[in-house]
Amino acid sequence: LAKTTQPISMDSYEGQEVNITCSHNNIATNDYITWYQQFPSQGPRFIIQGYKTKVTNEVASLFIPADRKSSTLSLPRVSLSDTAVYYCLGGGNKLTFGGGTRVLVKP
Amino acid sequence: NAGVTQTPKFQVLKTGQSMTLQCAQDMNHNSMYWYRQDPGMGLRLIYYSASEGTTDKGEVPNGYNVSRLNKREFSLRLESAAPSQTSVYFCASSEANNQPQHFGDGTRLSIL
Repeated sequence: LAKTTQPISMDSYEGQEVNITCSHNNIATNDYITWYQQFPSQGPRFIIQGYKTKVTNEVASLFIPADRKSSTLSLPRVSLSDTAVYYCLGGGNKLTFGGGTRVLVKP
Repeated sequence: NAGVTQTPKFQVLKTGQSMTLQCAQDMNHNSMYWYRQDPGMGLRLIYYSASEGTTDKGEVPNGYNVSRLNKREFSLRLESAAPSQTSVYFCASSEANNQPQHFGDGTRLSIL
């Protein structure tokens, strides 16, 4: 199974940039790296996916180094509504979400 | 476009009872998944179906069975419910493995 490790929690303030790094042990050559966001009492929601280098969409950026053993999700200028749990996945058939990172955005 | 629909949203069972959780997607996705999420924890994969007609075990399959009824529907069955199966169950679908998953709103299941 592809295993991921990420910080349990982090706090930030409105308007700041939040960076969450995940380590991807044993990621397979054909695996993508995917990040999800989950609010209480809801299912996870897809944020961004990448294979290598940098990917950017309207809500986040994803940085993946050449060795692909880690990834960093960057949330620019967070707001209170970005308070959530963020999960990184190493991909593959048998997906392991792990415990996620609880991000608390303070006013 | 409803996405992924799970029924029921809430259910209370007694130990030993059986139940089937239903999941349907309208996105023509090939792959479907069942997860459970215990309070304060991440999601754990129970079973998945890479394509219609195939199913495979995930991380925590014991006590569960699944049926990929057709491309749209993927059901999860508890044959003899146990209190340890109290959890929130999420169904998800994706175009294929390695593609982003779309999740339903979950079924909150309590077993007394």
